[in-house]
Amino acid sequence: GQQLNQSPQSMFIQEGEDVSMNCTSSSIFNTWLWYKQEPGEGPVLLIALYKAGELTSNGRLTAQFGITRKDSFLNISASIPSDVGIYFCAGPKYSGAGSYQLTFGKGTKLSVIP
Amino acid sequence: GAVVSQHPSRVICKSGTSVKIECRSLDFQATTMFWYRQFPKQSLMLMATSNEGSKATYEQGVEKDKFLINHASLTLSTLTVTSAHPEDSSFYICSARDKVAVIFGPGTRLLVL
Repeated sequence: GQQLNQSPQSMFIQEGEDVSMNCTSSSIFNTWLWYKQEPGEGPVLLIALYKAGELTSNGRLTAQFGITRKDSFLNISASIPSDVGIYFCAGPKYSGAGSYQLTFGKGTKLSVIP
Repeated sequence: GAVVSQHPSRVICKSGTSVKIECRSLDFQATTMFWYRQFPKQSLMLMATSNEGSKATYEQGVEKDKFLINHASLTLSTLTVTSAHPEDSSFYICSARDKVAVIFGPGTRLLVL
């Protein structure tokens, strides 16, 4: 089935540093989504990518949808303590009649040292 | 913006009892809702897809008689964990699709003693 491989699994960075994480798949996805989950909360959508090659920003966050549609990266610039959390990539698994479910990567746990 | 709520946020129950978790879409209608389970330090695992007015679709390995799903209206889906056991302790998260994205609820922490 479709699997999303995220790397790195975890990272510790100094406040103010830039961060990069990525997600790859052996299958093509038509949409890539990046979510952030804080402890005890549900995931919150950060960025949605719909076109191959698309580069989208949301404040200090930038994400790109790979040309092959098999990968995506998420960058966070000038990290701050509240960026701490687990970042998940996700892609839709279509089940017919226009409906789909999301397949999630295993997540990248980000820790920011003040 | 679109919001999904869950109730309760935390529940502790005795082994053998049943627990109902509600998932509501606020300000939008959702014909389809999704139920996930997340164990500590792991990713979200889809349990089932809840369809308004019809039976839920369960993922492989998820017992439909143990995890009862009811999607009685366009804004409410419920997950009932029947005869809960300690191994059912987990973080249960629902989500719903609005026009542009999948919105997640805040999750329900279940602890079965």
